[in-house]
Amino acid sequence: KAGVTQTPRYLIKTRGQQVTLSCSPISGHRSVSWYQQTPGQGLQFLFEYFSETQRNKGNFPGRFSGRQFSNSRSEMNVSTLELGDSALYLCASSGDSASYNEQFFGPGTRLTVL
Amino acid sequence: AQSVSQHNHHVILSEAASLELGCNYSYGGTVNLFWYVQYPGQHLQLLLKYFSGDPLVKGIKGFEAEFIKSKFSFNLRKPSVQWSDTAEYFCAVSSASKIIFGSGTRLSIRP
Repeated sequence: KAGVTQTPRYLIKTRGQQVTLSCSPISGHRSVSWYQQTPGQGLQFLFEYFSETQRNKGNFPGRFSGRQFSNSRSEMNVSTLELGDSALYLCASSGDSASYNEQFFGPGTRLTVL
Repeated sequence: AQSVSQHNHHVILSEAASLELGCNYSYGGTVNLFWYVQYPGQHLQLLLKYFSGDPLVKGIKGFEAEFIKSKFSFNLRKPSVQWSDTAEYFCAVSSASKIIFGSGTRLSIRP
């Protein structure tokens, strides 16, 4: 089985722009979660989607949004980028209906905001 | 507020030494507990998990962890480490609606 894939792997944007990141889960997995990883804050939960519905949400501002398609692929959007949004964004999928159970992580998208 | 603490930021051991990485959490309700590992150049992967039952859980590669509810702890152990255990280890705690990761412990093994 192919693992979780994320595109693009690297991205450079400037302040004020918006960005869309993509995540393709493992085939058959319906849960997709997104995380932000930074040296200062560590790994922080953004949101989780299950069967096209946002099931859980972390404590991030509304500039961070996401969606999930019928094929379970998910996108994350960040609008009005700030310097502090520079981070590694990780996507994880799970084949279990329970949230966060046995997540498989992708390689991440490294976002740099200038 | 829910939080997860990994007090050891960097641990250096010699091969064959025993390992114990601490993880403490604060949350009053029912939780699920996880240890994830990230080997150099690889993705985060699940090492072991505790949902219920026997508080001593065994994971991959000889790792185990013990859930001590009274101490709000879920420490990771391995009796004898190998050079290939060099990695960053993350403890995570989830409730019904959220998951929180610890800041991670970097483990370096001297050959």
